[in-house]
Amino acid sequence: AQSVSQHNHHVILSEAASLELGCNYSYGGTVNLFWYVQYPGQHLQLLLKYFSGDPLVKGIKGFEAEFIKSKFSFNLRKPSVQWSDTAEYFCAVRGHAGKSTFGDGTTLTVKP
Amino acid sequence: GAGVSQTPSNKVTEKGKYVELRCDPISGHTALYWYRQSLGQGPEFLIYFQGTGAADDSGLPNDRFFAVRPEGSVSTLKIQRTERGDSAVYLCASSLGRGGDTQYFGPGTRLTVL
Repeated sequence: AQSVSQHNHHVILSEAASLELGCNYSYGGTVNLFWYVQYPGQHLQLLLKYFSGDPLVKGIKGFEAEFIKSKFSFNLRKPSVQWSDTAEYFCAVRGHAGKSTFGDGTTLTVKP
Repeated sequence: GAGVSQTPSNKVTEKGKYVELRCDPISGHTALYWYRQSLGQGPEFLIYFQGTGAADDSGLPNDRFFAVRPEGSVSTLKIQRTERGDSAVYLCASSLGRGGDTQYFGPGTRLTVL
């Protein structure tokens, strides 16, 4: 069975601070990994994804994530957050056949 | 064209009633997914269609839940004898094909069972 754990439930940062959100997964085979973002009042949008190749993936809006296979981790990073990054962030893992398992999300609040 | 659309956006019903939730995927997307999101949790997988057939329905919680996609496009999630615990946001997503394709999510239907 596949599972995802996001350790930070709520993160509060000031603008220009650096961000790292933790994500650990459990799955016994080849995985596809995703980070989604949900801005207030909007629906889930894809931030970035890892399928294979370079373990450091870059997404939209300056976000990046690093896949570390030995640690079963896929942490999300951004060097300098903005107030507009205030949102909920979900990590997801997908094995074969398209079924995705999501973490419980991390709420990020960026203070102006 | 347009993204994934879901109707209604909100549905309030009484315990024991039957409800139908509709999903219109992006045109040309053969894969369609239903998820359920409860407050404070991430989306929980319910069922996945590839074309008209349910490729994986392992997430449906019990036999009160059923979903169809008769023509390989629009899908309807049906819930019989609703219970208060069914209250959640029901999300639909679609993708071009199976496997690694990006899933595009709709805005969801907020179901409240009184």
